[in-house]
Amino acid sequence: ETGVTQTPRHLVMGMTNKKSLKCEQHLGHNAMYWYKQSAKKPLELMFVYNFKEQTENNSVPSRFSPECPNSSHLFLHLHTLQPEDSALYLCASSQDRGRGYTFGSGTRLTVV
Amino acid sequence: ELKVEQNPLFLSMQEGKNYTIYCNYSTTSDRLYWYRQDPGKSLESLFVLLSNGAVKQEGRLMASLDTKARLSTLHITAAVHDLSATYFCAVELNTGNQFYFGTGTSLTVIP
Repeated sequence: ETGVTQTPRHLVMGMTNKKSLKCEQHLGHNAMYWYKQSAKKPLELMFVYNFKEQTENNSVPSRFSPECPNSSHLFLHLHTLQPEDSALYLCASSQDRGRGYTFGSGTRLTVV
Repeated sequence: ELKVEQNPLFLSMQEGKNYTIYCNYSTTSDRLYWYRQDPGKSLESLFVLLSNGAVKQEGRLMASLDTKARLSTLHITAAVHDLSATYFCAVELNTGNQFYFGTGTSLTVIP
């Protein structure tokens, strides 16, 4: 355990389904992130939250909707996804610059 | 646009040999990180390099940072099978706390 917990670990969903990914950290970090990891591609930053405020949205399609109710929890709501959205979704948290990220174990998403 | 390039992308090396993975980046930054990822697992922090000339060593791995050349290296000494994994470098911008990752280097150490 890294201190950042993601659930579920695996998710298979149809293109018309709605699901949510959950990330939780109790490290006292003030920033949380969603990354997408696809095969043969660099990790793609999707969303950044600092002190619960979204500070970055890297042109992510609206079928991905983040929610950060408090500094310990981060959600990624999914709806009407496409097969190309199948990937490993990683959550990370950080405190201050120069300390790096702590990553969760990821959710392996398959869209069928 | 910030680019972080690693090479090689794939590396197959024999046990006991030495090799270096390179990470080049296109913007000013004095903070660079190395991570390891095993198949199906998350990213594990290996090194944090926070200044020009920084060098860190842990076991058979040694990382260095040259901010003027915008280059970091991860040197592997006398490789063993347990080092087989994918290694990522990540650059942290001097403003904000966002990371930009390289494409990763998939390392396989063979007997």
